[in-house]
This record gives sequence, C-alpha cells and structure tokens, in this order.
Amino acid sequence: DIQMTQSPSSLSASVGDRVTITCQASQDISNYLNWYQQKPGKAPKLLIYDASNLETGVPSRFSGSGSGTDFTFTISSLQPEDIATYYCQQYDNLVTFGGGTKVEIK
Amino acid sequence: QVQLVQSGAEVKKPGSSVKVSCKASGGTFSSYAISWVRQAPGQGLEWMGRIIPILGIANYAQKFQGRVTITADKSTSTAYMELSSLRSEDTAVYYCARNWCGGDCYWYFDLWGRGTLVTVSS
Repeated sequence: DIQMTQSPSSLSASVGDRVTITCQASQDISNYLNWYQQKPGKAPKLLIYDASNLETGVPSRFSGSGSGTDFTFTISSLQPEDIATYYCQQYDNLVTFGGGTKVEIK
Repeated sequence: QVQLVQSGAEVKKPGSSVKVSCKASGGTFSSYAISWVRQAPGQGLEWMGRIIPILGIANYAQKFQGRVTITADKSTSTAYMELSSLRSEDTAVYYCARNWCGGDCYWYFDLWGRGTLVTVSS
C-alpha cells in the first residue's frame, strides 16, 4: 500500500496569511494526487486534482504543486471560510488519503 | 442535478453485518465508479474500496479484504457496501463518492453522498 504523510497535522494562521501543507508519498505517484477540503459535519469537497488543477468553481487562492513523492497545497491568503481539514489523496495504486491537516484561525 | 442519496443511520451489534446503499438521484452510474470512504469519530478519511458498475469490477483496500463487499445495481443506479464481522472500531460515518470512469477513469471524487452513520455497540 502507498502511504501518504501529511504535515503539519494542524496549524493556526491569521486571516490573509499564506498557508502551506505538504503531502509525501511512500513511493513515486507521478502527479496522481488530489486535495480535498472538509468542514465539520460535511462531506469532503474536491479542490485540486492531478496535483495542480483547480476544480471548477474553486477560488484561485487555492493551489497545488509537486510530482513524484512530494506535493504542496497552498492557500495564498487565508479567509475565515477556509477553516476546515484538508486531505491529500493518491490514486496511483488504488486510493489512499493522507492523515489530514486541520486549519484554524489565530 | 445529480445527488448521491445514502441510506439512513444504523445501529448494529458486534459480530453482525451492515449494508449501506448509495443511489444516484437524477442521474445514472453508467460512466462513473463509486467508492466507499469511512471516517471514524474525530479521525481522518479511510478508503475502503470501489466498484465500476458498468464492468461489475470491484477493488478493495487490503485492510478490508474479506470483510467488505461492494456491489451495484445498474438498473436502479444504486451501489451497496456491506461490512461484516462488525466491531466497535467500525463505528464511523460511511460515505459514497463518485468519479468519472467513461473510457479512462479519473480517480478524483467530484460528488459525495452526505454520509451514513453506522454505530456498532452491544
């Protein structure tokens, strides 16, 4: 199984800050990496697919990059509505999710 | 607009089985795969397995092999996830999620059900 290690597990930032989350795969997964946002009590929502493609309707302050084993998810200017937990997901070999990063407002 | 409508909450005894359904309301499964993802209270997302209904092919995460069965009924656009030998650690919200699989499959989940809470308790 491919393991996905996400860091940090939680972070606290101010409105307007740049927020970066990393996801590391246990083996090369090319660009087969997606990012989701989950708010409490809700189903996850797709934000980024294939490492760097923004899903339709998702604000441009969200972005993703990386390939191989190392990936980055960025919120360029944190907004109050971005408070959520973010997950990476690989699909090179079946599907695995990262452990999640909880983003809070400082 | 297509929605994935899941069955209602369940309370089960340890050792029993549960079967959760996921119906595509307003659409079909014809060009999609359906995955099942669970989330224990306060925990992260855990992929359990998937099915491509038009092919009838199912794949499972190693952790759940032998204990989970995912099926689909194309005539009613409904997928099912059955988990057996339930234990308290299986208490979780179970989600179904859709991805495009018409020709090539794109394994990102663009539509999710609202989740079904399964509680395992004696």
